[in-house]
Amino acid sequence: QQQVKQSPQSLIVQKGGISIINCAYENTAFDYFPWYQQFPGKGPALLIAIRPDVSEKKEGRFTISFNKSAKQFSLHIMDSQPGDSATYFCAASRRGFKTIFGAGTRLFVKA
Amino acid sequence: NAGVTQTPKFRVLKTGQSMTLLCAQDMNHEYMYWYRQDPGMGLRLIHYSVGEGTTAKGEVPDGYNVSRLKKQNFLLGLESAAPSQTSVYFCASSGHVGQPQHFGDGTRLSIL
Repeated sequence: QQQVKQSPQSLIVQKGGISIINCAYENTAFDYFPWYQQFPGKGPALLIAIRPDVSEKKEGRFTISFNKSAKQFSLHIMDSQPGDSATYFCAASRRGFKTIFGAGTRLFVKA
Repeated sequence: NAGVTQTPKFRVLKTGQSMTLLCAQDMNHEYMYWYRQDPGMGLRLIHYSVGEGTTAKGEVPDGYNVSRLKKQNFLLGLESAAPSQTSVYFCASSGHVGQPQHFGDGTRLSIL
């Protein structure tokens, strides 16, 4: 009930391509779905987040797609750049309860 | 504009030694968290605090203790370090549970 399953574990994309990372959750009470980006030697930092009342949120090259009925959400990185190479974590939470993190995806964008 | 500051950044301990990891935040957040990050396992919550003077167990609390004597500080202690506690430890804070968390840059701890 509390798990957030993230895939793939690692991803290699050519510069300019689209990077797609998927997450699935079980607890329908979750109402906040953030994505965090982590560079080597740094802590995770909030990248973009969505609430289940919308199906998509876009900020620059980053888009979250949310499918409430399937209990899935995904991060799309358009025109991927070498500077996007990092580890990405999806997460899920509801107000007043702890955040549950996915296992992470290591993205490498080839120049 | 420090945000969340963790000290030390690196530490090597011998099995059985004790140490305290320090976390300080300057955002007046009520909630603070300690996580450990291991390859392929994401972020696992060790302990957390919902306010000054309060602490609670997370997912993997065994072998760790915490204290929140001041609102801005959250300490993580290892009383008798074990090799299984070799990890990268992250502290985070948020205004409320479930809101975006702000992370420090981690403490890399090796136990020999």
